[in-house]
Amino acid sequence: EPEVTQTPSHQVTQMGQEVILRCVPISNHLYFYWYRQILGQKVEFLVSFYNNEISEKSEIFDDQFSVERPDGSNFTLKIRSTKLEDSAMYFCASTSSPDSYNEQFFGPGTRLTVL
Amino acid sequence: GDSVTQMEGPVTLSEEAFLTINCTYTATGYPSLFWYVQYPGEGLQLLLKATKADDKGSNKGFEATYRKETTSFHLEKGSVQVSDSAVYFCALRTDKLIFGTGTRLQVFP
Repeated sequence: EPEVTQTPSHQVTQMGQEVILRCVPISNHLYFYWYRQILGQKVEFLVSFYNNEISEKSEIFDDQFSVERPDGSNFTLKIRSTKLEDSAMYFCASTSSPDSYNEQFFGPGTRLTVL
Repeated sequence: GDSVTQMEGPVTLSEEAFLTINCTYTATGYPSLFWYVQYPGEGLQLLLKATKADDKGSNKGFEATYRKETTSFHLEKGSVQVSDSAVYFCALRTDKLIFGTGTRLQVFP
């Protein structure tokens, strides 16, 4: 069964460093998302991406964040200069259609720890 | 804006007890409603969904009915097992998913 994969599973970085979180969505999906979950809190939407463009982004997704689909299979989230408060679990999701009834398939997440 | 409110946890039950986790929503359009489950150390898995009013989603003994008149999507299970211990998230979707805060369920033998 196809699944969304994410690497690395855990990333530890120093404050101010750049990190890139990687996701491989399900191969025939066209719509991609990043969410994050700060420990013990709810899952929050960061950004949606379609046709090589950002479709929507939340207030959290400021200039320190960027997304890219560099090669037709990977979907990356870059944090340019990490802050302590960026420590969270980051989930990638993909779906074949933006219609509300379609399931978004989630990856297992990358736990980012900023020291 | 659109939002989801679910009951705070943790919910602590004995095995074979009846479970209800309340979820209500606010939305301007006609969202689909979802329950996701997160087992310890794992990612989010879809548990069930309902796409229009009066639809009932069901899976693994869990059920939830999309009630437009009360804007609710309460999760129920008749007899919980220890293996159901997890965090349960109610969510709505127009395009992006909007999640509730999650409810931790702990089931003891």
